[in-house]
Amino acid sequence: AQSVTQLDSQVPVFEEAPVELRCNYSSSVSVYLFWYVQYPNQGLQLLLKYLSGSTLVKGINGFEAEFNKSQTSFHLRKPSVHISDTAEYFCAVRFPLYNFNKFYFGSGTKLNVKP
Amino acid sequence: DTAVSQTPKYLVTQMGNDKSIKCEQNLGHDTMYWYKQDSKKFLKIMFSYNNKELIINETVPNRFSPKSPDKAHLNLHINSLELGDSAVYFCASSQASGGWNTEAFFGQGTRLTVV
Repeated sequence: AQSVTQLDSQVPVFEEAPVELRCNYSSSVSVYLFWYVQYPNQGLQLLLKYLSGSTLVKGINGFEAEFNKSQTSFHLRKPSVHISDTAEYFCAVRFPLYNFNKFYFGSGTKLNVKP
Repeated sequence: DTAVSQTPKYLVTQMGNDKSIKCEQNLGHDTMYWYKQDSKKFLKIMFSYNNKELIINETVPNRFSPKSPDKAHLNLHINSLELGDSAVYFCASSQASGGWNTEAFFGQGTRLTVV
């Protein structure tokens, strides 16, 4: 069965420190990968996406992610976080050869940036 | 103009009542979704429509009935509301054909509270 795993439910980090949020998915077949951010009481906003090409993807707000096919991972990174990055982050996967219409979401990682 | 808009934003109602949530997208997408987000932030897909046809129907009580009058609208009707239905419901849309616009765009959510 297709699935997405976010191993860390919460990640506390101090302001200006680097952070990595981990995401692994179940299958090594063709995938489209996404990271979304959800601020309190808001909907999900796309941070970045990987469809094909360069494995290093840059997104909004200084975030980037690296697609690693052999490890079936798509970890999100930021070199220096701000208080305003405190939010819930979701990894999502689309399997175009399996069920193109369905997005598989991870369980979310709460990033808590402390001053 | 809001890309995916859903109404109402907040809904408080008593057990046993029937309620509806409406969603509209102006992105020209061919696929729309309903997701339920529980108190632990877990996102669960409920339904998906492609060109007004139901294509995803996860294990959801039949008290929930989606309706898509056209490609741009997807409504959710809930009969005999129960306490466990309290959650945030998100509408989303995406393009499933053509190989572009492959991310999902989310509405701001409807916070349903059943008392």
